[in-house]
Amino acid sequence: GDSVTQMEGPVTLSEEAFLTINCTYTATGYPSLFWYVQYPGEGLQLLLKATKADDKGSNKGFEATYRKETTSFHLEKGSVQVSDSAVYFCALSSQTGANNLFFGTGTRLTVIP
Amino acid sequence: DAGITQSPRHKVTETGTPVTLRCHQTENHRYMYWYRQDPGHGLRLIHYSYGVKDTDKGEVSDGYSVSRSKTEDFLLTLESATSSQTSVYFCAIRSAAGAANEQFFGPGTRLTVL
Repeated sequence: GDSVTQMEGPVTLSEEAFLTINCTYTATGYPSLFWYVQYPGEGLQLLLKATKADDKGSNKGFEATYRKETTSFHLEKGSVQVSDSAVYFCALSSQTGANNLFFGTGTRLTVIP
Repeated sequence: DAGITQSPRHKVTETGTPVTLRCHQTENHRYMYWYRQDPGHGLRLIHYSYGVKDTDKGEVSDGYSVSRSKTEDFLLTLESATSSQTSVYFCAIRSAAGAANEQFFGPGTRLTVL
């Protein structure tokens, strides 16, 4: 079945450091892939998305490329800020009737000044 | 902002009592979902709806029921709450606008079952 495996956290970085959070997936067909971000006490916000192989999603300095050959969708940011501290979730959209999302377990990022 | 509200935002209840959580949307989205969020599991699908009176089970549906009598409201009911249902519950809608089937989430309901 569909599943997402996400890099375990927590991750602690200094401000302006480079961020990578690894995400790999297992799915039938060609799912859409997403990164969601959850700030403390809030719901999930869509950060970026990609719908097909080699698509690059980007938003707020974050990027992720849909790699079909490695079934990966790693999240990257060149220079993190304290305000990026949050929990990040990788997800895929099921190709079955529900079109529900399958989520990774989340990676907590803390950026220190 | 996808116009999704959830109520209540926090609830503490006792084992064996019934609990109903409400999700309300203002944009006439056809698909609505209920997920629960637990440490180490991410979010998991409980039930979903694809129209008024049309619902189906998700991955973790045992102990939950849902109803959708109006497009804008999707209710999640715990018939007899158990401590294992202590969780944060999120409602979501699926956007029909794009090809990605992206979903947008409400603010969540934190439920504690004592």
